Amino acid sequence: AQTVTQSQPEMSVQEAETVTLSCTYDTSESDYYLFWYKQPPSRQMILVIRQEAYKQQNATENRFSVNFQKAAKSFSLKISDSQLGDAAMYFCAYRTGIQGAQKLVFGQGTRLTINP
Amino acid sequence: SAVISQKPSRDICQRGTSLTIQCQVDSQVTMMFWYRQQPGQSLTLIATANQGSEATYESGFVIDKFPISRPNLTFSTLTVSNMSPEDSSIYLCSVGMDRGGEKLFFGSGTQLSVL
Repeated sequence: AQTVTQSQPEMSVQEAETVTLSCTYDTSESDYYLFWYKQPPSRQMILVIRQEAYKQQNATENRFSVNFQKAAKSFSLKISDSQLGDAAMYFCAYRTGIQGAQKLVFGQGTRLTINP
Repeated sequence: SAVISQKPSRDICQRGTSLTIQCQVDSQVTMMFWYRQQPGQSLTLIATANQGSEATYESGFVIDKFPISRPNLTFSTLTVSNMSPEDSSIYLCSVGMDRGGEKLFFGSGTQLSVL
């Protein structure tokens, strides 16, 4: 079974600075998807960024980018120019590449605090 | 993306009672899912809600405790039956979008407290 591990229960960063959240995963599959979700106090799970395992290029979405290391099974999230609205729980998630199988396996989450 | 409406937003229930949570999507989707997030924990998949057939439950979750309905491609319900304080959690509905369903979107969740 696949597992996802986030080793940082909490992180904090100064506003406008850059922060990196870590995620590692374990799988024997070669085709899969990785995600970062953000959960603010509103409870809404918001998709931040997605990476397909077959793509070597790291995904980017505005101030959010990932460092995908397939061999090391590592998938970190970098947030540049941190803003107060970035404060939330961040969850790393894995999904098999098998078509039709859409179950997500989540990590334990990292609580990100932005200091003004 | 999809607009997912989940009701109720929160509820406080007595032990032994049942609560039905509704999930409405603004477009037809093939797959709908129900997740549980226990206090301070990550999300765990309860079941996949299948249209026209019984839901598919994950290990540790059973139909008698969490009956699910999926009458059409835009609506599903999850019932938490015979509740105990251990059922106090956030329950989230999610749907798969895009051709391969690579993107999963979530409702805003139902905060359930059982006394």
